[in-house]
Amino acid sequence: GQQVMQIPQYQHVQEGEDFTTYCNSSTTLSNIQWYKQRPGGHPVFLIQLVKSGEVKKQKRLTFQFGEAKKNSSLHITATQTTDVGTYFCAGADSNYQLIWGAGTKLIIKP
Amino acid sequence: DSGVTQTPKHLITATGQRVTLRCSPRSGDLSVYWYQQSLDQGLQFLIQYYNGEERAKGNILERFSAQQFPDLHSELNLSSLELGDSALYFCASSVFSALSTDTQYFGPGTRLTVL
Repeated sequence: GQQVMQIPQYQHVQEGEDFTTYCNSSTTLSNIQWYKQRPGGHPVFLIQLVKSGEVKKQKRLTFQFGEAKKNSSLHITATQTTDVGTYFCAGADSNYQLIWGAGTKLIIKP
Repeated sequence: DSGVTQTPKHLITATGQRVTLRCSPRSGDLSVYWYQQSLDQGLQFLIQYYNGEERAKGNILERFSAQQFPDLHSELNLSSLELGDSALYFCASSVFSALSTDTQYFGPGTRLTVL
């Protein structure tokens, strides 16, 4: 079946360093959503990208949707302790059903 | 607070038993989704209901079943429980449209421990 691959599984960074997670689909996506799950919490919606090549920013977070609508990335500039958590992408197939990536866990090194 | 409620918060039971998890969606949301999240793992989509009808099925075991009632709350039934069923079970809700992908609002989850 259709899959959305998300890498890396974990990323350890020093506070202040940048963080990036990538999602790739073998097929074209209708759109892609990003969610954040804080430790001990539940996933919370961050953003949805719909258009080919779309780039959206939320403060230090930059989200991109590839030109072919098969890949997406989330980049965080100058990480802070509040950024800790797991970031999930979820791509929508042709029926608008979400296919979830496995998540990338952001860990801030002390 | 997402507006989605789940009960109970924690559930401890023994292998072979049956449990029921309950979810109340946000006011106005017609669709409910169930997910399983094992320790430090990703979200496994189980099943979606829309306005009382099953809409989509994911990796749901035959021992698991769900339903959505006329008041739109949903229940996930897990039977013949095994140790491997220990996980966090999330419910999410959305308005749902057949022609777009809605934001899903997640509840706080029910942590199931099977001993």
